[in-house]
Amino acid sequence: QKEVEQDPGPLSVPEGAIVSLNCTYSNSAFQYFMWYRQYSRKGPELLMYTYSSGNKEDGRFTAQVDKSSKYISLFIRDSQPSDSATYLCAMSGGSGGSNYKLTFGKGTLLTVNP
Amino acid sequence: GAVVSQHPSWVICKSGTSVKIECRSLDFQATTMFWYRQFPKQSLMLMATSNEGSKATYEQGVEKDKFLINHASLTLSTLTVTSAHPEDSSFYICSARGGGAAYEQYFGPGTRLTVT
Repeated sequence: QKEVEQDPGPLSVPEGAIVSLNCTYSNSAFQYFMWYRQYSRKGPELLMYTYSSGNKEDGRFTAQVDKSSKYISLFIRDSQPSDSATYLCAMSGGSGGSNYKLTFGKGTLLTVNP
Repeated sequence: GAVVSQHPSWVICKSGTSVKIECRSLDFQATTMFWYRQFPKQSLMLMATSNEGSKATYEQGVEKDKFLINHASLTLSTLTVTSAHPEDSSFYICSARGGGAAYEQYFGPGTRLTVT
């Protein structure tokens, strides 16, 4: 079993739809949970991070972490064509030494159609 | 702030030659830099972690003699792919952190390597 599992999609939605992206993980030591957006042939850019369990909202984006289920989600409201990209979840153990390493999911390719 | 650059953005080389990729933190001092490799439609796979002034720590399965990493200053790390072969063709991405939490890691734009 891989440490982080993410459905690669592709996922295609109409403009304005609510998008739900998810990852599961197996390593209970993960404390930081991140979502990155990556456009084709570009480096990832950090969208949101969450520490431990809970929800976090930033504009049209909401990140949720359920550590008891080892399940994280990213919701995008009122999706726009400019949201079309690959979304990667990433996790880390936290502070110190190898805990700074990020373990990534495979990424989900999202297309928002006008 | 927190800008990381990579050079070159795209390189083509012949099989058997060596290629050097630079990663620079432009507006902060990077105590740690990470090198990733990403194959098409695949995730980022961590290759190695380097701390300024120290030897890099390689992930299991990554050949340290083939992928030479140097982190000689707080703003520059280099990855040299030695004796490159077509199977080394990939997208190489670096990230840098200057301190703080794990999420405070900033990615470069990537370098596409094609070995013919």
